[in-house]
Amino acid sequence: DTGVSQDPRHKITKRGQNVTFRCDPISEHNRLYWYRQTLGQGPEFLTYFQNEAQLEKSRLLSDRFSAERPKGSFSTLEIQRTEQGDSAMYLCASEESTNTEAFFGQGTRLTVV
Amino acid sequence: AQRVTQPEKLLSVFKGAPVELKCNYSYSGSPELFWYVQYSRQRLQLLLRHISRESIKGFTADLNKGETSFHLKKPFAQEEDSAMYYCALGTGKLIFGQGTTLQVKP
Repeated sequence: DTGVSQDPRHKITKRGQNVTFRCDPISEHNRLYWYRQTLGQGPEFLTYFQNEAQLEKSRLLSDRFSAERPKGSFSTLEIQRTEQGDSAMYLCASEESTNTEAFFGQGTRLTVV
Repeated sequence: AQRVTQPEKLLSVFKGAPVELKCNYSYSGSPELFWYVQYSRQRLQLLLRHISRESIKGFTADLNKGETSFHLKKPFAQEEDSAMYYCALGTGKLIFGQGTTLQVKP
């Protein structure tokens, strides 16, 4: 599968624990995005990278969230001290350039208990 | 404010009936608009974008800047069209509407 891949697909964690998700974009895509989706809502933008540079962060991204794309390839999203409100589907997408076709991964479903 | 509104959470039609999924947007610049679709147990994927003016799987969408709308239409719905449809505004990132579930009954 040469599409966007995310790992893990599911994560159950206790409140207060830290979690890290990984996204592997399509290899030639420079732009990488993270979105969060809760039940009954469309995906909401969290942050994006152009190569290794993090260019924009949403106000949704509290200081407990951090994202990296160290070599301009894969990206990680870490949530520290998880809260029940962090329970959601976390989606990664990549695209070749601005406003072209965004290719989405299958998402990581996080459940905080 | 940049916003996308999809007023219908659920649209249920019979096979062969026309379909129109509504989308309105709010954006001060020149909009780039998309429809994404998510079939059951599959990832979100692009259905069409206004700039390409293509018809994909029989669906079309016309950008109406006067009404700030980008409604998705298909003249004859098929059962395989049943899915979740999201309208999105491209501003570098995507701003999505809440989505409309299309249910096509046999």
